[in-house]
Amino acid sequence: DAGITQSPRHKVTETGTPVTLRCHQTENHRYMYWYRQDPGHGLRLIHYSYGVKDTDKGEVSDGYSVSRSKTEDFLLTLESATSSQTSVYFCAISEPLSGGGNRQETQYFGPGTRLLVL
Amino acid sequence: RKEVEQDPGPFNVPEGATVAFNCTYSNSASQSFFWYRQDCRKEPKLLMSVYSSGNEDGRFTAQLNRASQYISLLIRDSKLSDSATYLCVVGGSYIPTFGRGTSLIVHP
Repeated sequence: DAGITQSPRHKVTETGTPVTLRCHQTENHRYMYWYRQDPGHGLRLIHYSYGVKDTDKGEVSDGYSVSRSKTEDFLLTLESATSSQTSVYFCAISEPLSGGGNRQETQYFGPGTRLLVL
Repeated sequence: RKEVEQDPGPFNVPEGATVAFNCTYSNSASQSFFWYRQDCRKEPKLLMSVYSSGNEDGRFTAQLNRASQYISLLIRDSKLSDSATYLCVVGGSYIPTFGRGTSLIVHP
């Protein structure tokens, strides 16, 4: 258990409204990620963070912004929600995987947020 | 061409069957390989890492073929509880690439 929580777990909103999703971790992991998952597309990286105030874009960052003002929280904001942003959003952290011949980093995911934009 | 490709399935097998999934990747410099399992409406969870020498965890065996750039997952003696989507992941230590997943349905 990597101690990751997401809030809210479900949200319904209207087109044009701002929405903020929160990811909270309790184990001081440096790397945090936001993904969206849609049928036919799999998991797609939106943004990631490699430290406080250090973030970078993923492959589907348009329409999203992030902030990380403290290690434990990574916020994802939809500035003006659109119906195409209806999706399941997963937060993840990266943690070294012990036991391999080479140290490998692997990801652990939060429980997800289901967002419906009407 | 997608960087990580998987047959989406579904693979529909009876209990007790042996089933194998393959996953191909395009970046020959990839260094880390994993299989994740995702149950319906749940988050992906790490199933196992894949090492060059191959590795086994109970009924699950993972193999890596660097020359042909694919990884495989073998499930022996399938259980009903193995029904899920299996995601192939290729890294990029900090920015892995996920396949779209292979659906497995194990029926009585």
